Amino acid sequence: GQNIDQPTEMTATEGAIVQINCTYQTSGFNGLFWYQQHAGEAPTFLSYNVLDGLEEKGRFSSFLSRSKGYSYLLLKELQMKDSASYLCAVRGNGGFKTIFGAGTRLFVKA
Amino acid sequence: GAGVSQSPSNKVTEKGKDVELRCDPISGHTALYWYRQSLGQGLEFLIYFQGNSAPDKSGLPSDRFSAERTGGSVSTLTIQRTQQEDSAVYLCASSLEAHTGELFFGEGSRLTVL
Repeated sequence: GQNIDQPTEMTATEGAIVQINCTYQTSGFNGLFWYQQHAGEAPTFLSYNVLDGLEEKGRFSSFLSRSKGYSYLLLKELQMKDSASYLCAVRGNGGFKTIFGAGTRLFVKA
Repeated sequence: GAGVSQSPSNKVTEKGKDVELRCDPISGHTALYWYRQSLGQGLEFLIYFQGNSAPDKSGLPSDRFSAERTGGSVSTLTIQRTQQEDSAVYLCASSLEAHTGELFFGEGSRLTVL
């Protein structure tokens, strides 16, 4: 079967660092994505990992370990506008469909 | 077009009626995806197209749901004999190819079945 797990909710303080974990079991692997979704809006692309290691993009970094079926999204210098849902998604390599986890709702407090 | 365009943005219908939702992907994108998102939930995969072919229809919830894509561009998702549990936001996304590139999402079609 295919399964993507991530925590339901997290709370962090403005200016701090937060790490959102994602574990997955899928039929093949052809890349892992992180998306941000503000309430009532469409998801927007944050990062993509296909090889093991850390990808850094400004305040956001994403890590992948394919052998462990594990990824995390790291958000630094948190801002209030980072309050949103963060969706972990995996693309398979058989049919290439991309499936999403249920998302992690992040609340940033002052 | 500049982005993924979906219509209608909002649709209220009565139980038992048929609805059609439309998606116009980014020009040049060969892969097109349909997802469903219920309130406060994650994205549920419905179907994806590579060109006009649908290699994976495994996510369609029942035979009341169907989708087609013509000319490698616009796609329509049709729900026949709508039920209240069909109420959700239906999101369309496109990518350059199915095996590469990130998904770009439209704003979604919010369906409410009374």
